[in-house]
Amino acid sequence: DQQVKQNSPSLSVQEGRISILNCDYTNSMFDYFLWYKKYPAEGPTFLISISSIKDKNEDGRFTVFLNKSAKHLSLHIVPSQPGDSAVYFCARYTGANSKLTFGKGITLSVRP
Amino acid sequence: DAGITQSPRHKVTETGTPVTLRCHQTENHRYMYWYRQDPGHGLRLIHYSYGVKDTDKGEVSDGYSVSRSKTEDFLLTLESATSSQTSVYFCAISEKGNTGQLNSPLHFGNGTRLTVT
Repeated sequence: DQQVKQNSPSLSVQEGRISILNCDYTNSMFDYFLWYKKYPAEGPTFLISISSIKDKNEDGRFTVFLNKSAKHLSLHIVPSQPGDSAVYFCARYTGANSKLTFGKGITLSVRP
Repeated sequence: DAGITQSPRHKVTETGTPVTLRCHQTENHRYMYWYRQDPGHGLRLIHYSYGVKDTDKGEVSDGYSVSRSKTEDFLLTLESATSSQTSVYFCAISEKGNTGQLNSPLHFGNGTRLTVT
């Protein structure tokens, strides 16, 4: 079982504040976690990833934190902008079987 | 944007009819994938291809077949469409198969919305 759980279906934040999107997983076997962002009527686009040997990866306004003991990762967006409003998918990649498993997605709304 | 074109963008069909969705890429990437997106399920892999005439099943392959006769084209066929196959279908490409790594993420097309009545 390589489930990826995004338990909160939606999140609404004020522009300029921090957005925290959470993802939980079962089974500790993975090589990378990735985040994809999706706008309506478009395909998902790759945003950021983190290796299993890291606990943090940062790219501009986006930071992903990995807590292996809690089997939890989170994507922080600081500061949030209205253009960040989208659906965010968490995905895990296991190199042993080249399997990429997506979560259900979280809809982020950033209010001006 | 990665050069991926999905056609048609929208289709309505009746139960029991065959349907073929097309994915065309101009990136010359070896790996191509078909996903479906449904509310409450995220993205699920249907089939993938790791080269011309080389394909394999994903996690939700029942009722679907694929073909790849050229590097640039990957076709998804619903032999006899059912209402449960109403979904948004995404094609994706990857330069390498290790899609978890920074140098080979998935690049998605803009999707085909299929409605089976």
